[in-house]
Amino acid sequence: DAKTTQPNSMESNEEEPVHLPCNHSTISGTDYIHWYRQLPSQGPEYVIHGLTSNVNNRMASLAIAEDRKSSTLILHRATLRDAAVYYCILWKGAQKLVFGQGTRLTINP
Amino acid sequence: EAQVTQNPRYLITVTGKKLTVTCSQNMNHEYMSWYRQDPGLGLRQIYYSMNVEVTDKGDVPEGYKVSRKEKRNFPLILESPSPNQTSLYFCASNPGTGGSYGYTFGSGTRLTVV
Repeated sequence: DAKTTQPNSMESNEEEPVHLPCNHSTISGTDYIHWYRQLPSQGPEYVIHGLTSNVNNRMASLAIAEDRKSSTLILHRATLRDAAVYYCILWKGAQKLVFGQGTRLTINP
Repeated sequence: EAQVTQNPRYLITVTGKKLTVTCSQNMNHEYMSWYRQDPGLGLRQIYYSMNVEVTDKGDVPEGYKVSRKEKRNFPLILESPSPNQTSLYFCASNPGTGGSYGYTFGSGTRLTVV
């Protein structure tokens, strides 16, 4: 399974932007980059996904490096409700998402 | 509201007593899957289904069964639960088999087998 590398934890302040990095040097041409987050005591929640181009939606932005070996999830203005574990996942066409350990994001008031 | 519904949310049972955890989605999704989440091991796939009557094993299928008789439902069956199946279970669905779709997860079922 394709491997992604994320920092174990990050901390930010409320109302500031947050940049969550993810390295995926073994990505292949057809792999989609998915981001999910999991709030305490809840199921994973889809955040955003992309293939080659940067993507924006109401929750976040996804910046994908030109060589696709890394990506960054951007929360433009963090709130306390954004505190969660964020997972960066490569979807390779298999019928599953392979979750790593993710990044635990703490938001300070 | 588009959602994946799991029941029950919490379940405590005894070793060997058959149980079923239900999963239903109202989005007409073709793909459904079950995951378990354990501390230090993360989320691991148990079984998945690409459509009605089409199911296949994930990474940790031992001790579990599934069925997909209707598109909307994908129950997880534990024929003879054991304590090592104590875990947090999630059902997920997706419109199709392409990675160009986001997955929708249920709220989870916390199972304790004593």
